[in-house]
Amino acid sequence: DVQLVESGGGLVQPGGSLRLSCVGSGFTFGSYWIFWVRQVPGKGLAWVSHIKTDGTTTSYADSVKGRFIISRDNDKNTVFLQMNSLTAADTGVYYCGRDHFGSGSGWLDPWGQGTLVTVSS
Amino acid sequence: SYDLTQPPSVSVSPGQTATITCSGHNLGYRYTCWYQQKTGQAPALVIYQDTKRPSGIPERFSGSNSGNTATLTISETQAMDEADYYCQAWDSSTVVFGGGTKLTVL
Repeated sequence: DVQLVESGGGLVQPGGSLRLSCVGSGFTFGSYWIFWVRQVPGKGLAWVSHIKTDGTTTSYADSVKGRFIISRDNDKNTVFLQMNSLTAADTGVYYCGRDHFGSGSGWLDPWGQGTLVTVSS
Repeated sequence: SYDLTQPPSVSVSPGQTATITCSGHNLGYRYTCWYQQKTGQAPALVIYQDTKRPSGIPERFSGSNSGNTATLTISETQAMDEADYYCQAWDSSTVVFGGGTKLTVL
C-alpha cells in the first residue's frame, strides 16, 4: 500500500524550533514531489511548502518563507520540514502529501495522517 | 494572491444531488481538484484535473470547471458523504485551497 507517515510534532515554545519528518512507503519515493499542508483545528487547509523530486527546487508560502526549510533524503524515503522561529500562528496539524502523478500535477494523493504542532508557552 | 471562494455550508437530503461550488478569477483556465475530509481524518482526493476520479472513488462524484466556477457534484448523496470538501488549484507554482464547504446530509 502507498503510505505516508508524519512524525516530529509536539509542544514547543514561541521562538523555538521543530523538525517534522514524512516517511513514504509502497512507491518509488524519489520520483514524487512531496507537499506539506497545515490545518488549524477546526479551520481550513493551507499549503506550506513543497519539494521536487531531486530536492533542488523548493517553494514556500509567504507566511513561512525564511523560517521553514524543506529537504529530502530519497535514500531514506523521507522529507523533512525544519521549522524555526515558531509562533502561535504556526500551531496546527501538519500533513504531508504526495503528488498524484509524481511531478507537477499539484494534486495530493495520498496524504499522511498528520502530526500536531502546538506553539505555546 | 489568487483566491478560491467556497460556500461555508451546503445541506442535502439523502438520495438527492449535492452541488458545491468553488469560485476564482478565470478558474476555468486552471485545473482544479477536490478533497474530502471526514471528521478526524486526513483529506482524500476525490476529483482531479477538473473531472477525473481517482481509483476507488464512486461514480456518484463528478466535477466540472468553466468560466470562474468549478463544481463538485455528488449524486444520490449518502450519509457517508457528510464531510468537509476543499477545492484546490495552482497559482504561480503555489498551491491554493478554497476555504472549505461543510456538507451536511440531513
